[in-house]
Amino acid sequence: KQEVTQIPAALSVPEGENLVLNCSFTDSAIYNLQWFRQDPGKGLTSLLLIQSSQREQTSGRLNASLDKSSGRSTLYIAASQPGDSATYLCAVTGANSKLTFGKGITLSVRP
Amino acid sequence: NAGVMQNPRHLVRRRGQEARLRCSPMKGHSHVYWYRQLPEEGLKFMVYLQKENIIDESGMPKERFSAEFPKEGPSILRIQQVVRGDSAAYFCASSISVVTDHEQFFGPGTRLTVL
Repeated sequence: KQEVTQIPAALSVPEGENLVLNCSFTDSAIYNLQWFRQDPGKGLTSLLLIQSSQREQTSGRLNASLDKSSGRSTLYIAASQPGDSATYLCAVTGANSKLTFGKGITLSVRP
Repeated sequence: NAGVMQNPRHLVRRRGQEARLRCSPMKGHSHVYWYRQLPEEGLKFMVYLQKENIIDESGMPKERFSAEFPKEGPSILRIQQVVRGDSAAYFCASSISVVTDHEQFFGPGTRLTVL
């Protein structure tokens, strides 16, 4: 059974800091990995999707890497801003097309 | 191209009533997934449907819950005789095909509150 872990559950950093959010998964037989952003009381916004054959994806200040063999992914946020404050969710797609989510990391960027 | 649409956005029901949650996938998407987010927990898969077929309902409670995706119209998640433990955010996602390297796009969710 696939399990996705995100540690720590919460993170507080000063504005401008570069930061790394970690995600680990137990079953390396995945088709892709997605990072999402969720604001309080809102839906999910897809940030980056990495196919199993890829090592990383970049979008603006965000960079996500994937090491499938070790079951790890990182989301790198450069020059963090208060507007980046949200919960970041990592999810993997298995052979049955279902997404398995981590519980998320709640990020607070202090002005 | 409108995104995934869900309605209602907020739904309040008393214990014992029925809740009907609707999801219209993105245009051209024939695969729909329902997920539930309980307070303080992560999102959990409930059911995966294609037009007129349930593909995988392994995450859906066996009693009181049902889902459909008819040939015409939105996908419906139906919860009969709701209990307080059903209070959660229910998210629908859609994808373009059965190929699993396609992205799932999420709707804004329906927040169900059971009084």
